Amino acid sequence: AQTVTQSQPEMSVQEAETVTLSCTYDTSESDYYLFWYKQPPSRQMILVIRQEAYKQQNATENRFSVNFQKAAKSFSLKISDSQLGDAAMYFCAYYGTNAGKSTFGDGTTLTVKP
Amino acid sequence: EPEVTQTPSHQVTQMGQEVILRCVPISNHLYFYWYRQILGQKVEFLVSFYNNEISEKSEIFDDQFSVERPDGSNFTLKIRSTKLEDSAMYFCASSEALRTFYEQYFGPGTRLTVT
Repeated sequence: AQTVTQSQPEMSVQEAETVTLSCTYDTSESDYYLFWYKQPPSRQMILVIRQEAYKQQNATENRFSVNFQKAAKSFSLKISDSQLGDAAMYFCAYYGTNAGKSTFGDGTTLTVKP
Repeated sequence: EPEVTQTPSHQVTQMGQEVILRCVPISNHLYFYWYRQILGQKVEFLVSFYNNEISEKSEIFDDQFSVERPDGSNFTLKIRSTKLEDSAMYFCASSEALRTFYEQYFGPGTRLTVT
């Protein structure tokens, strides 16, 4: 079974600084997708960034980028120029095309200090 | 931009009552999902649905749960006799495909409170 591990329950960053959230996963599949979701206090799940496993190039979306290390099964999220609105719970998720479902990590609560 | 919608946003029910949570997936999507998130915990997969039948279900999805696509647009989750531990946020999701350009779109969630 696939597992997703987020080893940092809480992280904090100063406004305008950079922070990296860690995620590792375990799978035997070769075809899968990885996601980072943001969950603000409203508890809505907002997709931040997506990475296809077959792509070697790391995905980027404005201030958000990932460091995808396929061999190490690592998928970290870097948030640059942190803003107060980035404060939320962040979930790493794995979707395997054979399993047909998403598996989520425990989440990391990010605090942004003004 | 198309989006998944869910109703109601918050449902309060008494233990033992039946509840139906409703979702309207994105119109051209073929795969539908329900996930659950107990407060303070991770998001857990409940069930996936394709071509009018369950594709996969987790151990959480026992006989108390059922899903249905009663018409061309709605996708429902029914809990027959709610328990206190069913209190959670329930997310519906849909995707266009499974293996090509996969992206799972989540709805805003329904907060279920069982008293």
